[in-house]
Amino acid sequence: IQLTQSPSFLSASVGDRVTITCRASQDITSYVAWYQQKPGKAPKLLIYVTSTLQSGVPSRFSGSGSGTEFTLTISNLQPEDFATYYCQQVNSNPLFTFGPGTKVDV
Amino acid sequence: QVQLLESGPGLATPSQTLSLTCTVSGASISSGKYYWTWIRQPAGKGLEWIGRISTSGATSFNPSLRSRVTISLDTSKNQFSLQMTSVTAADTAFYYCARDRHCTDTKCYSLANWFDPWGQGTLVTVSS
Repeated sequence: IQLTQSPSFLSASVGDRVTITCRASQDITSYVAWYQQKPGKAPKLLIYVTSTLQSGVPSRFSGSGSGTEFTLTISNLQPEDFATYYCQQVNSNPLFTFGPGTKVDV
Repeated sequence: QVQLLESGPGLATPSQTLSLTCTVSGASISSGKYYWTWIRQPAGKGLEWIGRISTSGATSFNPSLRSRVTISLDTSKNQFSLQMTSVTAADTAFYYCARDRHCTDTKCYSLANWFDPWGQGTLVTVSS
């Protein structure tokens, strides 16, 4: 199973509502997690089990989806949200796969 | 607060073995419903899961790397380690260790996991 993300690059402004889509190559009966990565830093967990917000993550981040399509939404984009975002899922092997990333830039 | 810190040589020689250690603080690597995992990221590229080890020492690996990778626990030092043999320039990357969770406080999942927290990462360059 492979994950794709769209768009791969997103130009946005502070205050925008941003949606990133993660698509699986086949229906996955599993959940996804979302991570934020800033330059020179390790990824940071934002959302797990598709829609559960990690403790300490602002509520402007939300996740949804099932089957082959999952979304990460950032409402009211803030300056600190400009980063690259990755989705991740597990199959039954287990084998953990990341999407290729979406860069959110000004 | 759980923290992870990678350590090891920043330079590896082609065809030789890459060895990294992850030191965990704030949690015991031999208890709890966790796995301990290695992930890598070539500069400017995406993330690749390498493998993981359970608190009891059971391992799983990315099939693309399985033949070259070993992950082990050192419970006396609260560390887990990665060894990758026969390295090439393609193995040059930032290497991260992370805690691999599949349980919340109330529920465990068979088809969900998430990596949190992550170490800061360490760059390994494979070059002669």
